[in-house]
Amino acid sequence: RKEVEQDPGPFNVPEGATVAFNCTYSNSASQSFFWYRQDCRKEPKLLMSVYSSGNEDGRFTAQLNRASQYISLLIRDSKLSDSATYLCVVKGVNTGFQKLVFGTGTRLLVSP
Amino acid sequence: DAMVIQNPRYQVTQFGKPVTLSCSQTLNHNVMYWYQQKSSQAPKLLFHYYDKDFNNEADTPDNFQSRRPNTSFCFLDIRSPGLGDAAMYLCATSRDRNYNEQFFGPGTRLTVL
Repeated sequence: RKEVEQDPGPFNVPEGATVAFNCTYSNSASQSFFWYRQDCRKEPKLLMSVYSSGNEDGRFTAQLNRASQYISLLIRDSKLSDSATYLCVVKGVNTGFQKLVFGTGTRLLVSP
Repeated sequence: DAMVIQNPRYQVTQFGKPVTLSCSQTLNHNVMYWYQQKSSQAPKLLFHYYDKDFNNEADTPDNFQSRRPNTSFCFLDIRSPGLGDAAMYLCATSRDRNYNEQFFGPGTRLTVL
């Protein structure tokens, strides 16, 4: 089983739609969670951290469900510029260095 | 602007011909990472430097080596590239080892002929 699993998509949505992605992680002791955005042939960039209480940044809302070990990202009022791959990232649990473990990403295509 | 810079952006090499990819940063971060990302796959951590301390991932092949001559620069050496090493190589930095955010460079796309 992969440490971080995501539906690869693509999710095809029209502008203005609301879209949600889920991600599951295998290590129940994981402490930190993130969503990164990666545009085609570009580097990943941090979109937002995911907190236990959930957090919102403009049109983006992230939720964490520790009991079920999944993380979600909700995008409201989708824009063309939201088209990208969204990587779910979990910080691994080790003593000392805690590496980031990336999912393979969910591709979003927003059309006019 | 403070940033992570990778050179070259595109590198073509021949099977078995050593190649070096470079990364520099102006963020003055303590930690520098090298990731390999193949098409439609997750970035995979190869190794990282915490200051001068080199940390290899257990499953990183011996074919991959790294050097960090100073805080700003880090190099990825592929001693004998195989066809399976064709990928995007991403350099990243973070302020400290357990600091949450990593800042990525634009990557070097390696082609092996």
